[in-house]
Amino acid sequence: DSGVTQTPKHLITATGQRVTLRCSPRSGDLSVYWYQQSLDQGLQFLIQYYNGEERAKGNILERFSAQQFPDLHSELNLSSLELGDSALYFCASTTGTGDEKLFFGSGTQLSVL
Amino acid sequence: GQQLNQSPQSMFIQEGEDVSMNCTSSSIFNTWLWYKQDPGEGPVLLIALYKAGELTSNGRLTAQFGITRKDSFLNISASTPSDVGIYFCAGRETSGSRLTFGEGTQLTVNP
Repeated sequence: DSGVTQTPKHLITATGQRVTLRCSPRSGDLSVYWYQQSLDQGLQFLIQYYNGEERAKGNILERFSAQQFPDLHSELNLSSLELGDSALYFCASTTGTGDEKLFFGSGTQLSVL
Repeated sequence: GQQLNQSPQSMFIQEGEDVSMNCTSSSIFNTWLWYKQDPGEGPVLLIALYKAGELTSNGRLTAQFGITRKDSFLNISASTPSDVGIYFCAGRETSGSRLTFGEGTQLTVNP
């Protein structure tokens, strides 16, 4: 158990819909990262938050947004969903601002039908 | 941007065999990490390397930070079915910079 909690484990929705994925980092970790993993693909970095503020952006679509709350949990919002958004979405956390060692959650499997 | 070339893409081996996989980068890294992802789970950190030439073991796993600082290797000895999964390398150029992940090596171990 990495200590990073993601909910829900599975999410099935339709095209055009909006969903919210939730992540609670390890106790004491201030940084939260979001990654997307499509079928047979590697890990694509989406966005990083540190202590409530956006720190770095990767290949995140404009239809996607994220935030980190004062209690340090984070949410990833995906809107106007398309079939191609179906993927595993991982949250990871680490203590500092640099991703020295990332600890990953179990992921949310999103299926867009 | 930074690219990592991880190979092989997949491996099919018999239980008991040793396994080797590697990652190469287009520039010098100061950190190499190796992760394993079980089906339906998130990647789990196996080994972290911080110095050129460093050799670190974790049970039957051994990883090395290449002396050129542009590559890293992971070896698994006496493989078992529990080793099945996807192995990812990840590297970072400088402190505080983005971690870049390789595309992964899918390992299948036949009993």
